[in-house]
Amino acid sequence: DADVTQTPRNRITKTGKRIMLECSQTKGHDRMYWYRQDPGLGLRLIYYSFDVKDINKGEISDGYSVSRQAQAKFSLSLESAIPNQTALYFCATSDWTRGGDTQYFGPGTRLTVL
Amino acid sequence: DQQVKQNSPSLSVQEGRISILNCDYTNSMFDYFLWYKKYPAEGPTFLISISSIKDKNEDGRFTVFLNKSAKHLSLHIVPSQPGDSAVYFCAAQTQGGSEKLVFGKGTKLTVNP
Repeated sequence: DADVTQTPRNRITKTGKRIMLECSQTKGHDRMYWYRQDPGLGLRLIYYSFDVKDINKGEISDGYSVSRQAQAKFSLSLESAIPNQTALYFCATSDWTRGGDTQYFGPGTRLTVL
Repeated sequence: DQQVKQNSPSLSVQEGRISILNCDYTNSMFDYFLWYKKYPAEGPTFLISISSIKDKNEDGRFTVFLNKSAKHLSLHIVPSQPGDSAVYFCAAQTQGGSEKLVFGKGTKLTVNP
């Protein structure tokens, strides 16, 4: 079984709809992250959480919110989806076993907002 | 301002030859660097990392070199295999517990049989 799972894997929605993307991990890591990937722009950080009581904004948090329901679960919500939020979304967890904060990614969610 | 730059969007090499992927950074406070590999429709996969106290780290066919004075790191893949064809992301971090990874935009490597 995968260590970091994301649901759904694909989602098509309409402008103005509320969408939730879910992430679960079995790695036992405290730190979790949400990124989006757009063509030619690499990975950009939306939100991150260093433990259940800690939530921080990343570089592109506008239009998004998150919820850390438990150590293993970190959800990303789009309150009112707009077309420029069409992207690949990745959840990640991290640990410090390699001498730095090494992140491990889920398989991604492809979101299309019409 | 882009703190981590991968100036080559794509690279094509022949199977069996060396692939060299380059990455430059501007923030001298970065002290931990990582390379990720990404196949289409999958999440990025951790490949190899290096701390700023080292100038080289090796793992099988993959070697990362760090030149702190030039603020440059490179990933060498020897020998290259068709299965190495993917997008490679360079990432950097300032250690201290509160800093996030900063990613480059990626280089698409194609290894031709």
